[in-house]
Order: sequence, then C-alpha cells, then structure tokens
Amino acid sequence: AQSVAQPEDQVNVAEGNPLTVKCTYSVSGNPYLFWYVQYPNRGLQFLLKYITGDNLVKGSYGFEAEFNKSQTSFHLKKPSALVSDSALYFCAVRDNDYKLSFGAGTTVTVRA
Amino acid sequence: DTEVTQTPKHLVMGMTNKKSLKCEQHMGHRAMYWYKQKAKKPPELMFVYSYEKLSINESVPSRFSPECPNSSLLNLHLHALQPEDSALYLCASSTGQGVQPQHFGDGTRLSIL
Repeated sequence: AQSVAQPEDQVNVAEGNPLTVKCTYSVSGNPYLFWYVQYPNRGLQFLLKYITGDNLVKGSYGFEAEFNKSQTSFHLKKPSALVSDSALYFCAVRDNDYKLSFGAGTTVTVRA
Repeated sequence: DTEVTQTPKHLVMGMTNKKSLKCEQHMGHRAMYWYKQKAKKPPELMFVYSYEKLSINESVPSRFSPECPNSSLLNLHLHALQPEDSALYLCASSTGQGVQPQHFGDGTRLSIL
C-alpha cells in the first residue's frame, strides 16, 4: 500500500522567512503526490502535484515542492511566508484512481 | 469560492433524527466522494461514486446512506447517528483519473446531541 508521512505536527516560522513542510513517501511503482492546504472552517484546497517530469513543481499561492527520489521526499516550500499561510497542510499519495492516502497533517503558524 | 457546494454548512441533530447532506458540482466531474474529518486529522474516505454508481464503500455503518441522483449531485442520508459521528463531512469531486486532483467543498459540520 502507498503511504506518506509528515514528521512534524507543527511548524512555526516568522513572516518573511522561508517555510518548509516535510513529507516522505513509501510506494510501489511511480508515486503520484499531492499537497493540500486547509484553512480554518474550510475544505481542503489543492496546492500542487507531482506526476512526472521536473523535480521542482510550482503550485498555487507561491508554493513549490521538490520531489527527491533518492530520499523519497516531497517537501513543500515557500521562499517568504505570510501570516495568511497559517493553516493545516496535508501531503497525499495516490492509491488508485479514486483513493488518496493522506499524511497526518502539519499545522503551520506564521507569526507577524 | 469553492466549485463544490455543500449544504447545510452546519447541522445539529438528535440521535433519532433523519437528515440529509447535499453536495453539488458543475465541473463535469464523474467521480464524487464523501469524507469524514475529525478536528486536526486527515479526511477519512467513506464512499466513492463513479459515473453515478457506488464503486467504493469503506465499510461505513449503515446509518450513513449515500445517493447519487445524477452526475452533479451527491447526497448523504443520515439516520440514528451516534455522538461519535460528530465531525466535518466533506464532499469532493474529480475527473476520476487518479493523476487529477480532487476538489473539495467546505463541508458540513455535524453535531450529534
């Protein structure tokens, strides 16, 4: 079965500093990886995905993610964090056409 | 604004009540999903409809009954729920091809008294 792990429950950064949210994966075959963000009282919003191709994937709201096959990682990054980036972030891997396996989630707090 | 619309946003019901949650999308997606999410936890898949047919039931108790009247609508009928069923219920849709992302609604926050 496919799975992802998010090793950090919480990430705290100052506004303007780089933000990294970590994700590692375990799959058989090629990984199809996704990042979602959930703001308070909202559903999940798709940020970006890795299917194949360039290891650096650019997504919404200035986020990007780096796929690293040798380290089986797919870390989410933003060069300069905003207070409005404070949210719950989920990494996910495709199990089949319909099922996603989600990580436990990482709460990001950006302080002003 | 999300492209998947869920109603109601909040629902409080007693354990003997019958209620329904509604989800609507107009993106032409052929797969629709129900998830249950507890606070600060990842969503848990409950049901998947593909081309209006139930294709996945993740061993959900029968007090939850899904229905897909057409390709744009998805309902979740609730009956005799338990307090532990209190959660955020999320609907999502996708093209049905696994490389495409799922689009989520903002959910219905359900409280069981």
